[in-house]
Amino acid sequence: GAGVSQSPSNKVTEKGKDVELRCDPISGHTALYWYRQSLGQGLEFLIYFQGNSAPDKSGLPSDRFSAERTGGSVSTLTIQRTQQEDSAVYLCASSLIGQDGTEAFFGQGTRLTVV
Amino acid sequence: GQNIDQPTEMTATEGAIVQINCTYQTSGFNGLFWYQQHAGEAPTFLSYNVLDGLEEKGRFSSFLSRSKGYSYLLLKELQMKDSASYLCARRTGANNLFFGTGTRLTVIP
Repeated sequence: GAGVSQSPSNKVTEKGKDVELRCDPISGHTALYWYRQSLGQGLEFLIYFQGNSAPDKSGLPSDRFSAERTGGSVSTLTIQRTQQEDSAVYLCASSLIGQDGTEAFFGQGTRLTVV
Repeated sequence: GQNIDQPTEMTATEGAIVQINCTYQTSGFNGLFWYQQHAGEAPTFLSYNVLDGLEEKGRFSSFLSRSKGYSYLLLKELQMKDSASYLCARRTGANNLFFGTGTRLTVIP
């Protein structure tokens, strides 16, 4: 596609339920990043995928969070047993690697509300 | 952590010049990005520095000093539409990308 696509754009879920957030990166981009942004805050790093390398999961806040990237393209971020503090905008970005100056392009995010 | 520090908020007058500073951890450094984020929108790319010096792009310029772990974003001829958050981001040797907390800029008439 022309840009990074995330779905759903909005998700309201009950506390304790599991949710899946999807990210379709720009075609050919080998790097994919997930961030979380709470209202009025900066971007909190969650996880980074780069090609066939093992992902950098160092930002995942708890074992309730997991992510996978299938076939080097689409990524899914899963939050199990959601808590109210998980409410935030989840942003996905992708970029080319191996070329200087290649910026990351962001999707419009998924706004998650846990009630 | 990545020790990326930037001021939380700044206010400047329409037509003026404003400089937003960013300091970061120098070890494993592989490039510095600036992004703009309007409220309720996704961040968009503004500039990239990997070598020391000034990169100019229209009304926006970005400076980098690798030895000092320091960058700034310079916005000239401020317009009301420049009111937004400005995010400094550091790329690591593994090409991961870490962001600071952002500087919320308010442009007043």
